[in-house]
Amino acid sequence: AQSVSQHNHHVILSEAASLELGCNYSYGGTVNLFWYVQYPGQHLQLLLKYFSGDPLVKGIKGFEAEFIKSKFSFNLRKPSVQWSDTAEYFCAVNRGGGADGLTFGKGTHLIIQP
Amino acid sequence: GAGVSQSPRYKVTKRGQDVALRCDPISGHVSLYWYRQALGQGPEFLTYFNYEAQQDKSGLPNDRFSAERPEGSISTLTIQRTEQRDSAMYRCASSLEQGAFETQYFGPGTRLLVL
Repeated sequence: AQSVSQHNHHVILSEAASLELGCNYSYGGTVNLFWYVQYPGQHLQLLLKYFSGDPLVKGIKGFEAEFIKSKFSFNLRKPSVQWSDTAEYFCAVNRGGGADGLTFGKGTHLIIQP
Repeated sequence: GAGVSQSPRYKVTKRGQDVALRCDPISGHVSLYWYRQALGQGPEFLTYFNYEAQQDKSGLPNDRFSAERPEGSISTLTIQRTEQRDSAMYRCASSLEQGAFETQYFGPGTRLLVL
């Protein structure tokens, strides 16, 4: 069975700092990779996703993620965070061409201090 | 347009009672997914439907859990003889098309508390 590991459960940064949230998955076949975000009081929503092509994927609100197949990683980055980025971030994976249910990591709670 | 809606938003029940959780997907969305999220964890896949057909129920924890989507739109997740360990946030999502790469749009969730 596939699994997803998110390295940090809680991250606290100051505004304008750079962000990198780690995500590793365990599955040897073709995968689709996703980052979802849940802002306080809101629903889970998609930040970005990858299934093939350019391993550097750009998403909404200035976020990007890089798929490194050899490291089974899909880390999320943002060069300069804002207070409004305070949220919970989830990495998720499913098998390319296979079952469509997502396997999520435990999430990273990001707090941005003004 | 309207997003995914779920009802009730909160449900408190006594151990041993049956509960039914409803999901109303975005209009026209083909696929519908159910997840369960315990406190401090990520969502855990339960089951999903394409139209009215249940495609994968491998995530349902035991036979007390069942789901249906009889007309390919609204879905109900039923938990029979609830236990305290069933307490969690139950999330529903829908996607426009079937396929592993499709974006899943999530509803607000139903928070279930079993006393």
